[in-house]
Amino acid sequence: EVQLVESGGGLVQPGGSLRLSCAASGLSFSSSEMTWVRQAPGKGLEWISYISGSGTIVYYADSVKGRFTISRDNAENSLYLQMNSLRAEDTAVYYCATWHWLLYFDSWGQGALVTVSS
Amino acid sequence: EIVLTQSPGTLSLSPGERATLSCRASQSVASSHLVWYQQKPGQAPRLLLYGASSRATDIPNRFSGSGSGTDFTLTISRLEPEDFAVYYCQQYGRPSWTFGQGTKVEIK
Repeated sequence: EVQLVESGGGLVQPGGSLRLSCAASGLSFSSSEMTWVRQAPGKGLEWISYISGSGTIVYYADSVKGRFTISRDNAENSLYLQMNSLRAEDTAVYYCATWHWLLYFDSWGQGALVTVSS
Repeated sequence: EIVLTQSPGTLSLSPGERATLSCRASQSVASSHLVWYQQKPGQAPRLLLYGASSRATDIPNRFSGSGSGTDFTLTISRLEPEDFAVYYCQQYGRPSWTFGQGTKVEIK
């Protein structure tokens, strides 16, 4: 069974930084395309970043481009999201999710809450 | 970027009734790139349908999907108590993935 466990969420001031981690198990991690999807309180889902299995291809939503960096450590079966220059509108639950070759978000973590507030 | 617009925003129905949810795209989406998810409070989304109409593992056959081009539909033939939730459509168009804003199916 695939398990994805996010960590690293918390309260941060505007302009601050935070690094989220996603520990993966039960899958061939180095072959898995990974993504981050977020959900602001009471709002809908927003895809924010993608990384290929090798880590050589990355994509970002315009809303986070230049501020967030996705990365992975295949030896540690871990996915990361470095978030800089955080804004109030970045407040959300952040999910890591696998991207299936049949073109859907497959397995999801339980989510990590990031709150940006002074 | 393709924008997905879901309607209605909220659907108030009783158990046993039929639910019809719409997802309209701002430009044509390949059927293979259109997905539906269900989300309950405090939970991560759950895959329902992929390729516009293929049910995911363990999804009951009361859930069905149809459509092509810019108009897609999720139908729940007879609502069960556990079906009251928020439903999202999502499209894939590398390098961008977008979701609709969601339709809440609530108990009338």
